[in-house]
Amino acid sequence: AQSVTQPDIHITVSEGASLELRCNYSYGATPYLFWYVQSPGQGLQLLLKYFSGDTLVQGIKGFEAEFKRSQSSFNLRKPSVHWSDAAEYFCAVGARNQFYFGTGTSLTVIP
Amino acid sequence: DGGITQSPKYLFRKEGQNVTLSCEQNLNHDAMYWYRQDPGQGLRLIYYSQIVNDFQKGDIAEGYSVSREKKESFPLTVTSAQKNPTAFYLCASSIVASNNEQFFGPGTRLTVL
Repeated sequence: AQSVTQPDIHITVSEGASLELRCNYSYGATPYLFWYVQSPGQGLQLLLKYFSGDTLVQGIKGFEAEFKRSQSSFNLRKPSVHWSDAAEYFCAVGARNQFYFGTGTSLTVIP
Repeated sequence: DGGITQSPKYLFRKEGQNVTLSCEQNLNHDAMYWYRQDPGQGLRLIYYSQIVNDFQKGDIAEGYSVSREKKESFPLTVTSAQKNPTAFYLCASSIVASNNEQFFGPGTRLTVL
């Protein structure tokens, strides 16, 4: 069965510091992978997605993610965090016309 | 502008009442989805539909019902049988394919009093 694990429930970083949010998936075939961001009380916005090809994908708002097949991971990174990046982040796998979401990582940014 | 609208933003209901949440999209997407979001549990799929007049149960369909009479509309009814309906509900749509992203509406916060 498909599953997505985000091992970090909550992360706190200082503004300007680098960020890495972890995502591990379980899926038998090559997955379609996504990262979404959610501000409080809002819907989800797509940050980036991976289907095939280059394993390092660039997204909006300065985010990038790297697909590592050997580790079944799709970690999200940003070199310098801004206060406006404080939000909930969700990793998702697309399979058989459905999405499977992780439980999310809440990001706090301190000045 | 193309997108997904959900109404109302906040909804209150008394215990034992049914309530219907609206979801409309003008993206011409065939697939639509309803998710429930609770703190610490991520998004859980309630129902989804890949074509008009057809829909499938998701992981937590008990106590919910849907209809898909039009391509652009996918209303969700929270029935009195739903034991714990207070939650944030998100509607999404997509092209029917695993590699296509889902587009989300702004959500409806339902509170049962």
